[in-house]
Amino acid sequence: AQSVTQLDSQVPVFEEAPVELRCNYSSSVSVYLFWYVQYPNQGLQLLLKYLSGSTLVESINGFEAEFNKSQTSFHLRKPSVHISDTAEYFCAVSDSRTGGSYIPTFGRGTSLIVHP
Amino acid sequence: DAGVTQSPTHLIKTRGQQVTLRCSPISGHKSVSWYQQVLGQGPQFIFQYYEKEERGRGNFPDRFSARQFPNYSSELNVNALLLGDSALYLCASSPGTHSNQPQHFGDGTRLSIL
Repeated sequence: AQSVTQLDSQVPVFEEAPVELRCNYSSSVSVYLFWYVQYPNQGLQLLLKYLSGSTLVESINGFEAEFNKSQTSFHLRKPSVHISDTAEYFCAVSDSRTGGSYIPTFGRGTSLIVHP
Repeated sequence: DAGVTQSPTHLIKTRGQQVTLRCSPISGHKSVSWYQQVLGQGPQFIFQYYEKEERGRGNFPDRFSARQFPNYSSELNVNALLLGDSALYLCASSPGTHSNQPQHFGDGTRLSIL
């Protein structure tokens, strides 16, 4: 069984400040990792994913996340946030084994609130 | 290209009624999954269908059922509605069922039970 812990339910920051949204996972097998973003009254959109290779992955809008296997973490960072980044962010994990469960497990979400 | 579309966008029902939610996946996607998102929580997996067959079922009662049609669209049915069924129901599609394929979500159906 897998689980995802997002340690902060809400993260308030000022515009142009850096931010880190924390995600830790628990799994007895190797995993794929995802970050999704949800804007109000919308579904989830993929932000970035780690499948293999470089442990640092980047999105097109300035977010990055680093897979740390020893700490079982996949924290999301952005060096300078914008008002438009205000949204709910979800970390998700899925089993990477061939024949393993392909159903992702989501965290409870972190609400990023960017103040002017 | 059209994304995942869900209908209706909002729905109000009373306890004991039945509801059917609909989902059309992205063209070319053969897998459809359903999730329940309660306010303040992450999506909880309900079902996954691939090529019209159920491939996965989450920890939901038998009041929840689903099916997938030959055109890969899908319906989620919930019988004997309870107040606790009030939630945002999300449909997601992917090309197949491999776990490295991210889910593409629709905007959901907001179900309110009175």
